[in-house]
Amino acid sequence: KAGVTQTPRYLIKTRGQQVTLSCSPISGHRSVSWYQQTPGQGLQFLFEYFSETQRNKGNFPGRFSGRQFSNSRSEMNVSTLELGDSALYLCASSSTTGGTAEAFFGQGTRLTVV
Amino acid sequence: GQQVMQIPQYQHVQEGEDFTTYCNSSTTLSNIQWYKQRPGGHPVFLIQLVKSGEVKKQKRLTFQFGEAKKNSSLHITATQTTDVGTYFCAGHLLRGGSQGNLIFGKGTKLSVKP
Repeated sequence: KAGVTQTPRYLIKTRGQQVTLSCSPISGHRSVSWYQQTPGQGLQFLFEYFSETQRNKGNFPGRFSGRQFSNSRSEMNVSTLELGDSALYLCASSSTTGGTAEAFFGQGTRLTVV
Repeated sequence: GQQVMQIPQYQHVQEGEDFTTYCNSSTTLSNIQWYKQRPGGHPVFLIQLVKSGEVKKQKRLTFQFGEAKKNSSLHITATQTTDVGTYFCAGHLLRGGSQGNLIFGKGTKLSVKP
């Protein structure tokens, strides 16, 4: 079956702009999580959605938001971009939200803010 | 807050040497997962450990979960150039189950000299 698909793969934006990233989970997976990966901070959790509801949220400012659609596809939005938002944004899907769920990651969207 | 510390941050080995990365949590974990991220790639699930004191093997890789469920290790015997990448541990908090409670270590970047 197809893996997790993230679009676009690469983005270059200017400070102050906003950006929307998309994630299509593995078919049948209802949990989608977003992570920000930077060389200095590693993988940092942004938020998790399950059945269109945000279940958990990481410690990021309100400029970072997300949503999930009825088909489990998810989007994350970053408004008023800052240089420090440059990172690899990874989406992961899992079949359940139980404690034994492994995360399947997409290839990520590389965002560069200039 | 809850943290998962991972050491070392970097490890350079000669091909054929062994490699170990360690993961320590400030909080008791429900389970721990290990992921590998190749250069330019995305994290890929390797294994999950659930039981106290559990040991699992995958060919040259040995994974251990501590008795107190607060630490874990990954040991690679006789490294090969294909082992190059960053190894992440990720722990689920004891009473959490969703991906939102999956806390990643910062990873150990392994390089292997042929």
